[in-house]
Amino acid sequence: KAGVTQTPRYLIKTRGQQVTLSCSPISGHRSVSWYQQTPGQGLQFLFEYFSETQRNKGNFPGRFSGRQFSNSRSEMNVSTLELGDSALYLCASRLAGGSTGELFFGEGSRLTVL
Amino acid sequence: GENVEQHPSTLSVQEGDSAVIKCTYSDSASNYFPWYKQELGKGPQLIIDIRSNVGEKKDQRIAVTLNKTAKHFSLHITETQPEDSAVYFCAAFYHGAGGTSYGKLTFGQGTILTVHP
Repeated sequence: KAGVTQTPRYLIKTRGQQVTLSCSPISGHRSVSWYQQTPGQGLQFLFEYFSETQRNKGNFPGRFSGRQFSNSRSEMNVSTLELGDSALYLCASRLAGGSTGELFFGEGSRLTVL
Repeated sequence: GENVEQHPSTLSVQEGDSAVIKCTYSDSASNYFPWYKQELGKGPQLIIDIRSNVGEKKDQRIAVTLNKTAKHFSLHITETQPEDSAVYFCAAFYHGAGGTSYGKLTFGQGTILTVHP
């Protein structure tokens, strides 16, 4: 069974640009969450999507947005990039719709903003 | 919101020794507590978890204990091996009510475990 797949794995952008990251969850998983990981702030929750609807949102500015497609694949977008947006962006999927809460993470997309 | 404190931030042990990492959480409604291991260049990998209706869970060399009253939980690794060296994260998750469980994981700051051969 394939794991969570994130693309691209690495990317470099400049301030003011925007970026779109993609995530394909484990087959059968309907919930996708996004986390930002930085050395200073650790792992911070961005948002969770289930059935194409955002179900929960962390404390990030509106420049951070996401969406989920009918096949459960998800994208997140960061507009007007700032230096502080440099981070590892992790996608995680879970079954949802039941008692299980196990999150399975992808390898992440490492974004560098210059 | 939920806050998770994790200690120690770094832990160095000799191969074969035991390692213990401790976490406390603030929201008594949190009901699921996973532990993740993150190796360099990889995403966090779930290694063990515990739910609020259980006090202890063991899987080979790894065990987790939960004290709901004190709101703390711990990871115990016995007979450590060099390949156990990684960053370990604890987390607390609130499932919410209803048939679907929307919530978020709140992570501790991580513990860098180094196992010396």
